[in-house]
Amino acid sequence: DQQVKQNSPSLSVQEGRISILNCDYTNSMFDYFLWYKKYPAEGPTFLISISSIKDKNEDGRFTVFLNKSAKHLSLHIVPSQPGDSAVYFCAARRVSSGSARQLTFGSGTQLTVLP
Amino acid sequence: EPEVTQTPSHQVTQMGQEVILRCVPISNHLYFYWYRQILGQKVEFLVSFYNNEISEKSEIFDDQFSVERPDGSNFTLKIRSTKLEDSAMYFCASSEVPGYNEKLFFGSGTQLSVL
Repeated sequence: DQQVKQNSPSLSVQEGRISILNCDYTNSMFDYFLWYKKYPAEGPTFLISISSIKDKNEDGRFTVFLNKSAKHLSLHIVPSQPGDSAVYFCAARRVSSGSARQLTFGSGTQLTVLP
Repeated sequence: EPEVTQTPSHQVTQMGQEVILRCVPISNHLYFYWYRQILGQKVEFLVSFYNNEISEKSEIFDDQFSVERPDGSNFTLKIRSTKLEDSAMYFCASSEVPGYNEKLFFGSGTQLSVL
């Protein structure tokens, strides 16, 4: 199942710089997208989301961009901090269809922010 | 901050044995979920539960799996006869209300090892 893809398994960034995590999807029925962060030995934690009617959503240091025509979204973290080091999952949902509950996850990107 | 709690954190069982994974969702939440992540693979949806019945389930959730909310606080996942391929991290999640921007809160997971 490759409906949501995160092609970079890992990313390293210097503290204070921008982190950009990418996600691609193939299912055009997805209309709501979320980013989750996961630390070792913990469950995924909701970070930020965006609906398909928007192209940008911002929350503090975190901004998600959605390019529907390219079926691509990205998460920008600026400035990056060492505490941001975690696995970041992109997830998508088809709200407008009957299967509104389930999330389809990407494989995750391990972000390491170097001090 | 309220959180979803899961017990046990680790469960080791013999193939063919029954296991019950337990979860206490956030108290005012109404929708409950089980997801799992096999080592090295994506987080996968198993089942969603609302109003004391399954609202959605994936192909993974076959007759060997069942869910129950035996009282007002616990939400359990039972695997009747475990297989080696059931070894995974199992995450419980809950949400307050359904809807377009529904946010799932995940527990820390139960690592199930089937020997």
